[in-house]
Amino acid sequence: EPEVTQTPSHQVTQMGQEVILRCVPISNHLYFYWYRQILGQKVEFLVSFYNNEISEKSEIFDDQFSVERPDGSNFTLKIRSTKLEDSAMYFCASTGLAVSSEYFGPGTRLTVT
Amino acid sequence: GNSVTQMEGPVTLSEEAFLTINCTYTATGYPSLFWYVQYPGEGLQLLLKATKADDKGSNKGFEATYRKETTSFHLEKGSVQVSDSAVYFCALSNQAGTALIFGKGTTLSVSS
Repeated sequence: EPEVTQTPSHQVTQMGQEVILRCVPISNHLYFYWYRQILGQKVEFLVSFYNNEISEKSEIFDDQFSVERPDGSNFTLKIRSTKLEDSAMYFCASTGLAVSSEYFGPGTRLTVT
Repeated sequence: GNSVTQMEGPVTLSEEAFLTINCTYTATGYPSLFWYVQYPGEGLQLLLKATKADDKGSNKGFEATYRKETTSFHLEKGSVQVSDSAVYFCALSNQAGTALIFGKGTTLSVSS
């Protein structure tokens, strides 16, 4: 069964550093998403991406965040200057054209020290 | 705006007990409804879904029925197992390409 993959599984970084989280969505999917889950809290939407542009973003997704689909298979989330409060599990997801369930990757645990 | 409300946890049950986790929603239009499960240390897995009123989603013994009149999508299982211990998230989506809106999650702990 096809699956969404994410790398790395765990990233530790110092405050102020840039991080790039990587995702490979399911190959025939068209919509891509990033969510985050701060430890013990609800899953929060960050951004959705379709046709090479952001289709929706939340208020969490400020100027420190950016997304890119650099090569037709990878989908990346960049945090320019990490803050302690960016520590969370970041999930990538993808879905096809019809209203359907989003398939989630296993997540990247980001720890900012 | 759209929102999902789940019952507060944790829910603690003995093996073979009946499970209900309540979920209600507020949404414009006719959203699709989902239950996701997160096992300890893992990511989110789709458990079941329903895309229109009166649909019943089912998987692994879990069921939920899309009730438009009560705006609810309660999760049920007739006989839980220890392996069902996890966090369960109710979610909705209005259309492809838009955000999934999650509830806060309900932790289920099943003991033998």
